[in-house]
Amino acid sequence: DAMVIQNPRYQVTQFGKPVTLSCSQTLNHNVMYWYQQKSSQAPKLLFHYYDKDFNNEADTPDNFQSRRPNTSFCFLDIRSPGLGDAAMYLCATSRAYREVGYQPQHFGDGTRLSIL
Amino acid sequence: LAKTTQPISMDSYEGQEVNITCSHNNIATNDYITWYQQFPSQGPRFIIQGYKTKVTNEVASLFIPADRKSSTLSLPRVSLSDTAVYYCLVGDMVYNNDMRFGAGTRLTVKP
Repeated sequence: DAMVIQNPRYQVTQFGKPVTLSCSQTLNHNVMYWYQQKSSQAPKLLFHYYDKDFNNEADTPDNFQSRRPNTSFCFLDIRSPGLGDAAMYLCATSRAYREVGYQPQHFGDGTRLSIL
Repeated sequence: LAKTTQPISMDSYEGQEVNITCSHNNIATNDYITWYQQFPSQGPRFIIQGYKTKVTNEVASLFIPADRKSSTLSLPRVSLSDTAVYYCLVGDMVYNNDMRFGAGTRLTVKP
């Protein structure tokens, strides 16, 4: 089945130690998103790629970076994780065409990041 | 993006119909209304999307009045497995749509 896969499901890192979360998709969607979701809160958009174009949310800290080497993969890099960055990180994809806009998103099941 | 307002929580019983209403008073002409469902430790799942009147699929119906300032997600005959958080999103399908989630409604279905 076509899907959005996030690895690992659980990630533990140390305070200040860089960490990378990965997302892959078999849907061949041209838009990929990263969200942060803290406990009992709604997902918060960090940034998204429309094809190769990177779109950062205004309130996303500089500590968060992203890479999309090809259509299928997208990475979230946290350069110096702080305790406040402990959260579920969700990757999503959608198909977007400039003629019809964005279509509903398909989400992975997330990576839960813990900071020691 | 139009701001959305939903009840924080709702309780229901198995077999009942559940209606969750979302208010979006400043919805724009190009905005669509999309609902997602999220279970604990999972990503949100698309449920239904609509622009006006009524949309129905195999799991839910979406009712949108003529002024489009609100919408109602209807779940027929809920079961315990429908216990989840339901998010209403409103966004422009052309430039920038349902990327920003509101607070959501936590639905609890009881036996």
